[in-house]
Amino acid sequence: GQSLEQPSEVTAVEGAIVQINCTYQTSGFYGLSWYQQHDGGAPTFLSYNGLDGLEETGRFSSFLSRSDSYGYLLLQELQMKDSASYFCAVRVTGTARQLTFGSGTQLTVLP
Amino acid sequence: GAVVSQHPSWVICKSGTSVKIECRSLDFQATTMFWYRQFPKQSLMLMATSNEGSKATYEQGVEKDKFLINHASLTLSTLTVTSAHPEDSSFYICSARTGTGGEKLFFGSGTQLSVL
Repeated sequence: GQSLEQPSEVTAVEGAIVQINCTYQTSGFYGLSWYQQHDGGAPTFLSYNGLDGLEETGRFSSFLSRSDSYGYLLLQELQMKDSASYFCAVRVTGTARQLTFGSGTQLTVLP
Repeated sequence: GAVVSQHPSWVICKSGTSVKIECRSLDFQATTMFWYRQFPKQSLMLMATSNEGSKATYEQGVEKDKFLINHASLTLSTLTVTSAHPEDSSFYICSARTGTGGEKLFFGSGTQLSVL
């Protein structure tokens, strides 16, 4: 099976930068994704890393180190609307491409 | 972007009744859809993978006879919670990939089920 670890809560102020880490244990790793979910809402895709390195999408960046089984999501210029839960998710090879999600990190952005 | 529509958004039912949840891909065809379950403040737990025209693949520990999945067309998958009990109360979310969206998973808006 797969297991993912990420911090349960992170708090930061508007305009700041925050990094949410994710470590995983899995066999047949294929890639790491990040999703955002506001309370009561559906998860929305943020980023994907299939190879080592940094992927940048606007204020959000994601990093992956396959050798360390580690990745992170970096959120810059935090805004109040960024308050949400953030999930890392792994996809493994040889499957129907389903994802296994981490437990989620609740980000609270303070004014 | 791709749209996944899920209905109903919320449902309240009595214990022992069955509830059907629909998941539709509105602007793309989905040969595979995924059904997740989420408890408050917790992760999304994969319940099953729905395959168009064939049987669903259930995750370990998920009762096939309780959570019936039908994927009769390329745009519709349904999840029926049979003989629902209070412990089945949860947030159920479906998801799918488009053929060209790469690794991006598109989610429905979810269904909050409350069993009294």
